[in-house]
Amino acid sequence: GAVVSQHPSRVICKSGTSVKIECRSLDFQATTMFWYRQFPKQSLMLMATSNEGSKATYEQGVEKDKFLINHASLTLSTLTVTSAHPEDSSFYICSVLDFGNTIYFGEGSWLTVV
Amino acid sequence: QKEVEQNSGPLSVPEGAIASLNCTYSDRVSQSFFWYRQYSGKSPELIMSIYSNGDKEDGRFTAQLNKASQYVSLLIRDSQPSDSATYLCAVNPIRLTFGTGTRLTIIP
Repeated sequence: GAVVSQHPSRVICKSGTSVKIECRSLDFQATTMFWYRQFPKQSLMLMATSNEGSKATYEQGVEKDKFLINHASLTLSTLTVTSAHPEDSSFYICSVLDFGNTIYFGEGSWLTVV
Repeated sequence: QKEVEQNSGPLSVPEGAIASLNCTYSDRVSQSFFWYRQYSGKSPELIMSIYSNGDKEDGRFTAQLNKASQYVSLLIRDSQPSDSATYLCAVNPIRLTFGTGTRLTIIP
């Protein structure tokens, strides 16, 4: 299956600052990537669908101006959490949709806002 | 009604026994079904995919699909302590919809 890499795996940032998380598809050109958020002991929540070369599609309730998604190439999508607050602390996971219509996940990124 | 429903557990199974995980879904036109395993603090990893009615076996894992009953299950034979994790059922790839997961604990 597709190999997906996320960076950083853990990040701590101060409240009010912005933090960028990268998602790379290492062996597959991904036109579609997905970003999820998962709070402790809760299920995955789809935040947005990232489409290469076009604007991301955000799920209801997800602020597009706060969670900026850029999918500028077929191998890289980035999620920037702007003006982060402690309630944004969560596990952020990206995934790639491969040609076999199967989803493969990155390792995830733990964000802690202090 | 939730799109994908799973019993949240926890489900406790003795080592060596068969663990049975169940999932129901609401969208009758669903075509693709997946089981993911998620260890605590880690991202999900794909275990099985199934697209046709019946059973699909891969090692100790068997996925079962019944589209008429809108039901998909995962059987884990010879359960090992390393199988202790949360198992997520997912339906359809384009807008993958996850169940809330079943937390499985294998008791040595």
